[in-house]
Amino acid sequence: EAGVTQFPSHSVIEKGQTVTLRCDPISGHDNLYWYRRVMGKEIKFLLHFVKESKQDESGMPNNRFLAERTGGTYSTLKVQPAELEDSGVYFCASSLGDGANTEAFFGQGTRLTVV
Amino acid sequence: GENVEQHPSTLSVQEGDSAVIKCTYSDSASNYFPWYKQELGKRPQLIIDIRSNVGEKKDQRIAVTLNKTAKHFSLHITETQPEDSAVYFCAASRGKLSFGAGTTVTVRA
Repeated sequence: EAGVTQFPSHSVIEKGQTVTLRCDPISGHDNLYWYRRVMGKEIKFLLHFVKESKQDESGMPNNRFLAERTGGTYSTLKVQPAELEDSGVYFCASSLGDGANTEAFFGQGTRLTVV
Repeated sequence: GENVEQHPSTLSVQEGDSAVIKCTYSDSASNYFPWYKQELGKRPQLIIDIRSNVGEKKDQRIAVTLNKTAKHFSLHITETQPEDSAVYFCAASRGKLSFGAGTTVTVRA
């Protein structure tokens, strides 16, 4: 069974540019989460999809971040325009049930560097 | 929202010794507490978890304890080996996972 896959693995962009990160969850997993880890700090929650609906987007830092999950399969996270403080590793995770009941499987992450 | 604090941030142990990582959480409604291990360049992977109706759980050299009254939980690794070197994250959940800041564990041969 394929795991959670994320693309790209690394991205270096200039401040003000746009970047789109993609996550393909494990097939059949309705729950999809985006997290971000800034260097040396905690893995911080961004948002949670259940199928194509945003269940909780309380962690999204500001309106420069837009997440979508059309059709309830893969998800994209767009940052526009990117700022220096957006640098970090963006993780996607998926699970069958919500986090309280089933294991969340993580992708390998996308390392975003804004210069 | 949930706030998870994790200590220590770094931990260096001699091979064969034990390692203990402690976490506290703020939301008394949290009922699921997983631990993830992230090796260098790899994705975080679940190594053990505990639910709020259990006080202790063990899996070979790894054990986790939970004190719901005090709102803290701990990871214990016994007989540490070089392959235990990694970053360990605790998390608390009642729907979405809230993570601690991570502990970088180094096992010295």
